Parts: sequence; structure tokens; C-alpha cells
Amino acid sequence: QQQVKQSPQSLIVQKGGISIINCAYENTAFDYFPWYQQFPGKGPALLIAIRPDVSEKKEGRFTISFNKSAKQFSLHIMDSQPGDSATYFCAAKQDTGRRALTFGSGTRLQVQP
Amino acid sequence: NAGVTQTPKFQVLKTGQSMTLQCAQDMNHNSMYWYRQDPGMGLRLIYYSASEGTTDKGEVPNGYNVSRLNKREFSLRLESAAPSQTSVYFCASSDPPVLNAEAFFGQGTRLTVV
Repeated sequence: QQQVKQSPQSLIVQKGGISIINCAYENTAFDYFPWYQQFPGKGPALLIAIRPDVSEKKEGRFTISFNKSAKQFSLHIMDSQPGDSATYFCAAKQDTGRRALTFGSGTRLQVQP
Repeated sequence: NAGVTQTPKFQVLKTGQSMTLQCAQDMNHNSMYWYRQDPGMGLRLIYYSASEGTTDKGEVPNGYNVSRLNKREFSLRLESAAPSQTSVYFCASSDPPVLNAEAFFGQGTRLTVV
């Protein structure tokens, strides 16, 4: 049973456009929601994260929107650049019990020049 | 500052062979994790160690064993490799008592079992 569902699997965006990746979770005990960025041949690296007490967090061109009642959160990349081409993973974690990240299936983003 | 170091980076095994993937972190983190990454399935937790001396199963532990050798090192062992274990393996570490603790990942080990 996949606890964090991510869509779409792949995304092609033109340079300067907005990239949007969506995730939904099932476990209401999750209380930390990070997004990781992975380039080919590298390990994932933290991009931005949010806790459920806020509905939005913005860092530069990257914004997380969080809807607690719908159990959904999304990543928006404004003014997408070719250098943003990578695989993006949403994840979730709870601060009690097993404190390990549960990942979505990933979205491969291609930003075309 | 090396962060999380995994060895080897690439490995080809024959079915039935055994091997150990090594992982070391230099950030003094309490928790360490092993994940496997397969196309379309994201990263799935194999085993984790909340602190030195403890290990627990994750989502997909079958066919694997782990050892938390000390606070720095966490190894993953395949006793009898199977083609289904062909994957990219990532080790990670974090310090969960710290709120919003970031997990740091190694570069990965690409394992092929033939």
C-alpha cells in the first residue's frame, strides 16, 4: 500500500513556465513533508519542506502548497529553468515511532530551452 | 566535509553470491537508513537504525541484513543475491531529535544481479 502517491510520473515544461507536482498522503500521523531533488547519478537532496501548521512555504522559485483537510501537498516551480531538470520526490515523515521518510514514486521534470 | 559515503559505487553479482554495501557518515547523526530505488517506485526503506545499537525493518527487508557497526557506520548485506535485488541502493543519515531534521543521502550503489 503506497502511503504517498505522486503525480505526474513525468512532466515537460517550457523555460519560464510553471512546473506543478502533486502528492497525496494517507497517514494522518505524518507531520513533516519535504521535497527532494535528484540529478542523474546523484543521491536525493532536500529542496524545501513544510509542516502542517502552515498552508504555504516559499523559497525563491520553489513553493509548497499544503492542504491538510484534503491530505494533499504540491510543489510549484516558478520560472522553470533547464537547470531544474531532475527527478523530484515528495516525502512524508512522522516525528514519533518510525522516523523515516516515506517517499512518493517520483516525477521526472524536463525543462525545455 | 564528506557527508555520507557509500562504497562501492557499482557492483555486478551473480545470483547466489553475497556482498556487503558499506556506508559511513561524518555528521555525528544518530539515525541511519538504507533505501532502494527502482523505476516508478520511488525510494523504499529497507532497514533503519534509530541509534547506535538498534536496527529495525522497513518496508522491504526480505533478503537483507544490516549491522550498525558504530555511530558512523551502517552496512547492508545481501546473503544470497537474487535478480529482484537489482536496484540502486542509497544510504542516508539524519538527526531526528532535531525538529525538521534533514536526511542526507549518499551517492548510491548501483547493483546488478545476473
